[in-house]
Amino acid sequence: GAGVSQSPRYKVAKRGQDVALRCDPISGHVSLFWYQQALGQGPEFLTYFQNEAQLDKSGLPSDRFFAERPEGSVSTLKIQRTQQEDSAVYLCASSWQGGGNTIYFGEGSWLTVV
Amino acid sequence: GESVGLHLPTLSVQEGDNSIINCAYSNSASDYFIWYKQESGKGPQFIIDIRSNMDKRQGQRVTVLLNKTVKHLSLQIAATQPGDSAVYFCAENAPTGNQFYFGTGTSLTVIP
Repeated sequence: GAGVSQSPRYKVAKRGQDVALRCDPISGHVSLFWYQQALGQGPEFLTYFQNEAQLDKSGLPSDRFFAERPEGSVSTLKIQRTQQEDSAVYLCASSWQGGGNTIYFGEGSWLTVV
Repeated sequence: GESVGLHLPTLSVQEGDNSIINCAYSNSASDYFIWYKQESGKGPQFIIDIRSNMDKRQGQRVTVLLNKTVKHLSLQIAATQPGDSAVYFCAENAPTGNQFYFGTGTSLTVIP
């Protein structure tokens, strides 16, 4: 597609529920990033893929967070047993290559845990 | 970890005036910087970038200035328009990593 596509755009989850957020990067982009953005804050890095390899997951806040990109294109961020502090916007970004290249963001998935 | 901060959390300007948004970064090894614009309910949108081998880069109505000596970045918007109202983030990338670090952001309000 022309841009990074994320779904769902909005998700309300009950505490304890599992959620899955999908990202479809720009066609041909090798690198894919997930960021978390709390209200009034800048995006915080979660994890990074180069093709199907997850090269950096240092930003994942707990073992309830899991990301995959099995075929090197679409990626899924999964949050298990959601908690209220997980409420945030989850942004996906992609770039042609890794570091030192412009990353382009999708519109985000807005997660509210009630 | 790295720290990217903005001097002013909010900025209000009259339509037609020039805007200057400032950003301080802490990692002297960072060599690539991007300014993003984020409108309410949307994802960050790329505005302009600059690499550390440059001091200045111009785009359409926007200019980014980089002062590596004091680790300072600024975004200048000429003839600010109501459509420029948004939150602006600077992001830095160091050659040792793939991720970008973002500051808290500056909220720009353009007064018609």
